[in-house]
Amino acid sequence: GAVVSQHPSRVICKSGTSVKIECRSLDFQATTMFWYRQFPKQSLMLMATSNEGSKATYEQGVEKDKFLINHASLTLSTLTVTSAHPEDSSFYICSARQGLLNTEAFFGQGTRLTVV
Amino acid sequence: GQQLNQSPQSMFIQEGEDVSMNCTSSSIFNTWLWYKQDPGEGPVLLIALYKAGELTSNGRLTAQFGITRKDSFLNISASIPSDVGIYFCAGDYGSSNTGKLIFGQGTTLQVKP
Repeated sequence: GAVVSQHPSRVICKSGTSVKIECRSLDFQATTMFWYRQFPKQSLMLMATSNEGSKATYEQGVEKDKFLINHASLTLSTLTVTSAHPEDSSFYICSARQGLLNTEAFFGQGTRLTVV
Repeated sequence: GQQLNQSPQSMFIQEGEDVSMNCTSSSIFNTWLWYKQDPGEGPVLLIALYKAGELTSNGRLTAQFGITRKDSFLNISASIPSDVGIYFCAGDYGSSNTGKLIFGQGTTLQVKP
């Protein structure tokens, strides 16, 4: 299957700083990418949909100014957690979709963010 | 909003036993997906279901898309230790295949050799 790579896999940052997470589709062009958040022992929750060349669409309750998404090319989307606080500590996972109809979205390996 | 209820929450079984887990929803989904997630990793797709009533197998895994489009089950036959992990069902949010997924709460599977 297609490969989606996230970087970094783990990051520890100080409270108040910003952290950027990258999601790359390695062997296909992703028209759409999705960002999810997963707290320990919980399920994945969709945060936003990232479309190449246009603004991201955020799910209800997700602060767009807090979680900045940029999808500058068909192979790269970035999620920036701005002014991070301990409650932002979580597992962030992206997925990338190649086509539009009946195509699966491939998930990255996730990024463990710890804010201290 | 749409919710997926997945059960059981956890299972502890003997190697060689068959496993069954299911998901139900109060809303209709047009796509049902089953994923497996290992600790510290992203989910890996096991089976995708696109039509009501569809029954699909992938090796020892079998999944079905319920006729009402409000439920799905996943069976694992003859479990082995590497089946250990968390299994999630997921449904596509939209009326068509949008790629935006809502996930069930997960079923944690432990297999005793």
